[in-house]
Amino acid sequence: DGGITQSPKYLFRKEGQNVTLSCEQNLNHDAMYWYRQDPGQGLRLIYYSQIVNDFQKGDIAEGYSVSREKKESFPLTVTSAQKNPTAFYLCASSPSGSNYGYTFGSGTRLTVV
Amino acid sequence: DQQVKQNSPSLSVQEGRISILNCDYTNSMFDYFLWYKKYPAEGPTFLISISSIKDKNEDGRFTVFLNKSAKHLSLHIVPSQPGDSAVYFCAATSGTYKYIFGTGTRLKVLA
Repeated sequence: DGGITQSPKYLFRKEGQNVTLSCEQNLNHDAMYWYRQDPGQGLRLIYYSQIVNDFQKGDIAEGYSVSREKKESFPLTVTSAQKNPTAFYLCASSPSGSNYGYTFGSGTRLTVV
Repeated sequence: DQQVKQNSPSLSVQEGRISILNCDYTNSMFDYFLWYKKYPAEGPTFLISISSIKDKNEDGRFTVFLNKSAKHLSLHIVPSQPGDSAVYFCAATSGTYKYIFGTGTRLKVLA
């Protein structure tokens, strides 16, 4: 079954620590995305990648970093510089070109303790 | 600047009746629009889309209407069912990979 897998589903982090969220897809999609969901704010784009070894900042990239070394994988690191990291993080992928919707993963809930 | 707006954070509808969810946008360059449905603690799932060259697209109980002059789209669900209770996001793109999402409307269908 093709799909997009995010892990872990729940993650707890101490203040000052970096943490990496995993996102893997077997849909052969070229483009991958990271969104953050906060109550009342919808989905906000953190980073996106249209092709391997290339990625662009989204609207709220500060305090985050990504890599795209393989087509299937687009991990997101939440660094200690991110001031308010507690949120629900969604990874998505899409084929090349516009007019294709995203396929989303099931999300990771990150809580800073 | 919120380019895609869903001004109703929540909506309650009786089972069997019509649900109408609204979405407004400001960017006239948007040419493709989608609706997603999201259950708690899950990723959004694609529901229905519409191109700017159309004003209506139908898929079973779901119909999306696009009014380009008003920069407004709406999702109609008829008849509404309890399983439709979820958060609905509209999203728009101007021919790029990036979609801009609205803030979502929580629909509650009452049995």
